[in-house]
Parts: sequence; structure tokens; C-alpha cells
Amino acid sequence: DQQVKQNSPSLSVQEGRISILNCDYTNSMFDYFLWYKKYPAEGPTFLISISSIKDKNEDGRFTVFLNKSAKHLSLHIVPSQPGDSAVYFCAASVEGAQKLVFGQGTRLTINP
Amino acid sequence: DAMVIQNPRYQVTQFGKPVTLSCSQTLNHNVMYWYQQKSSQAPKLLFHYYDKDFNNEADTPDNFQSRRPNTSFCFLDIRSPGLGDAAMYLCATSRGQGAVGYGYTFGSGTRLTVV
Repeated sequence: DQQVKQNSPSLSVQEGRISILNCDYTNSMFDYFLWYKKYPAEGPTFLISISSIKDKNEDGRFTVFLNKSAKHLSLHIVPSQPGDSAVYFCAASVEGAQKLVFGQGTRLTINP
Repeated sequence: DAMVIQNPRYQVTQFGKPVTLSCSQTLNHNVMYWYQQKSSQAPKLLFHYYDKDFNNEADTPDNFQSRRPNTSFCFLDIRSPGLGDAAMYLCATSRGQGAVGYGYTFGSGTRLTVV
């Protein structure tokens, strides 16, 4: 039973436009959500996170939105740049559990 | 630079031949994790150590074992690798204080091929 789902395996966006990556979860106990970015032949790197007490967190070009009632979060990248081409993983945790549950990832390609 | 290092980057092993993957960290983090990731799937947690305390996931096969001899090193032992164990194995660390939302630091992974 997959608790964190990224239903789009891939997404292609034109440079300069907005990229929107989506993530759904089923466990209502999750209270912290994170996005990781992964380039080929490298490990995932932390990008941005959000606590369940917030509905938005912004860091430069990256914004994460959380809709708790829908159990849905999204990552917005504006404007998209070629260096943003990577696989993006959504992850979630329950406070105190000290472990993350990951989605399958979405491969984002930014086209010039 | 402080980091998480996995060796080797690529490992080829024979069906049924024991293999060990290693992970080291210079971050002095309390928690170390091993994840298995198969192609186009979510990374799946196998187990983690909080200091010396071992935490196994309920669905981790007995074929997988782990050792953490000290803070810096953690090993993944696969006792009898099968073809289905071919995957990317990711090691990660976290501070273990407060919410895990501080995030993990990952190594670059070891890609295991079973022949």
C-alpha cells in the first residue's frame, strides 16, 4: 500500500514557464512533507519542506503548497530553468518516527 | 566537505553470493538509513539505526542485514542475493533531533547488479 503517490512519471515544460509537480498521500498522520531533487548518478538532495501547520512555503523560485483536506501537495517552480531538469521525489513523515516515506518520483524536463 | 559516501558506486555479484555495501558519513548524524530503489519505484526503507538502536521494517526480507560498528559507518549485507535484489541502494543520514523534516543527506548510491 503506497502511502505517498506521484501519479505523473514525467513532465515536460518550456524554459521560463511554471513547472507544477503533484503529490498525493493517504496517511492522515503525516505532518511534515519534503521535496527532493535527484540528478543522474547522484543521491537525492533536499529542496524544500513544509509543516502540516502551514499551507505554503516559499524559497526563491520554489514554492510548496499543502492542501490537508485533499491530502495533496504540489511543488511550483517559477521560472523553470534547464538546470531544473531532474527527478523530483515527494516525501512525508510522521513526527517522532524519524523516517521518510517517498513517492515514485516525477522526471521533469525543461526544454529550451 | 561533510558528506555521505557510499562504496562501491557499482557492484556486480553472482546469484547467491553474499555481498556487502558500505556507507560512511562525516556529518556525525545520529541516524543512518538504507533504502532500496528499483527502477521507476519509490525508494523503500529497509532499516535504520538510531545510534546503536536497530530498527527493521516489517517487510524487509531476512536476506538483508545491517551493521553499524560506529557512528561513521553502516553496512548493508545481502546474504544470498537473488535477481530481484538488483536495485539502487541508497544510504542516508539525519540528525535525529526534532522532526525528521530537517531532511536526510543522501549518498550517491550503489547500483547492484546480480548475474
